[in-house]
Amino acid sequence: KQEVTQIPAALSVPEGENLVLNCSFTDSAIYNLQWFRQDPGKGLTSLLLIQSSQREQTSGRLNASLDKSSGRSTLYIAASQPGDSATYLCVRQGGSEKLVFGKGTKLTVNP
Amino acid sequence: KAGVTQTPRYLIKTRGQQVTLSCSPISGHRSVSWYQQTPGQGLQFLFEYFSETQRNKGNFPGRFSGRQFSNSRSEMNVSTLELGDSALYLCASSLAPANTEAFFGQGTRLTVV
Repeated sequence: KQEVTQIPAALSVPEGENLVLNCSFTDSAIYNLQWFRQDPGKGLTSLLLIQSSQREQTSGRLNASLDKSSGRSTLYIAASQPGDSATYLCVRQGGSEKLVFGKGTKLTVNP
Repeated sequence: KAGVTQTPRYLIKTRGQQVTLSCSPISGHRSVSWYQQTPGQGLQFLFEYFSETQRNKGNFPGRFSGRQFSNSRSEMNVSTLELGDSALYLCASSLAPANTEAFFGQGTRLTVV
């Protein structure tokens, strides 16, 4: 079974800190790796998409990397802000299940 | 450019009833997939449609069904509702079934009482 694991499950940091969220997946034959954020009770907002031929993508204070050989992806958030507080989901795309989700990392950035 | 639109946003039903949820994808997107999100199970894949054809189906009972229309809008139906069907149902839209970025709607919150 294709699985995606996210560590840690929850993270609380003071404002301004740089932080890393981790994601690992069991099947390296992925197409894309996508990071989303979800605010409570809301839908998912796409943050970054890394295609299988790429190693990283950057958008503003966010940087995501992909290492297919080790089955890992990381999301780096620079200079965190209280508005970054949300649940971050790592999603593997490929195969019959379309998108396979991790359980997410709940991030709290304290002012 | 309008995003993915899901209706209704909130729904309360009683056990045994049936419900239909709607998803309008981003204009030009032909692939629509549905997911169920619960606190215990996280996000689980229900099914995927492309060009009016169901391409894949997740591990859900036959009470869950869906369809896609020629304008790419999709509906999912749940019959004989159970308490455990209470969840946030999310729809994702993409240009094609694979290798393309997925965009999600705000979801439909279904509560079964």
